[in-house]
Amino acid sequence: QLQLQESGPGLVKPSETLSLTCTVSGGSISSSSFYWGWIRQPPGKGLEWIGTIYYNGRPYYNPSLKSRVTLSLDTSKNQFSLRLNSVTAADTAVYYCARRPVGDGYTFNQWGQGTLVIVSS
Amino acid sequence: DIQMTQSPSTLSASVGDRVTITCRASQSISTWLAWYQQKPGKAPNLLIYTASSLESGVPSRFSGSGSGTEFTLTISSLQPDDFATYYCQHYYSYPWTFGQGTKVEIK
Repeated sequence: QLQLQESGPGLVKPSETLSLTCTVSGGSISSSSFYWGWIRQPPGKGLEWIGTIYYNGRPYYNPSLKSRVTLSLDTSKNQFSLRLNSVTAADTAVYYCARRPVGDGYTFNQWGQGTLVIVSS
Repeated sequence: DIQMTQSPSTLSASVGDRVTITCRASQSISTWLAWYQQKPGKAPNLLIYTASSLESGVPSRFSGSGSGTEFTLTISSLQPDDFATYYCQHYYSYPWTFGQGTKVEIK
């Protein structure tokens, strides 16, 4: 059973960089069967797609965040990561990592439990 | 970006009721639409993909329909476990976007 688990600092200072890692167990992130993504949800608000990274390492970003976000894969650790720089209070949210099967018609069908990141001095 | 608009924002219903939630896209997205259920403190759970395909393990009382710009999620007989917030999401093109959510409350 594949599982995803987010990890990283729960508190980040304004203007600094938010860094999160998603550890995948029960499957390989190198598999050509899946893409990997990040979604966030500010407290009490809706969901926002941050980006998706393909198994070959090619990333796709939300244009609203593109200048500040970087997604990467670490196949040696079976992890993928999110970096968001120059954060502000507006970046305070629960951050989820998720898996999307390759192929038309598929979206995120498995999610991590989420991790709350607060941006505050 | 394609905007997704759900209605209603809040819905009050009783156990056993038939419930319908609507999602409209700002442009045609064919059937590249998903529905998620989210409970407080939990990650979203995929219910429906490609507008009408039921995700494995999801009860058959959930169904989806629509294409183009208008879509519906129907719960045929609301159960106590179904009180939650529901989101639609398009995946026609990047950036993927979600509706604002519909909270289903106990009447």
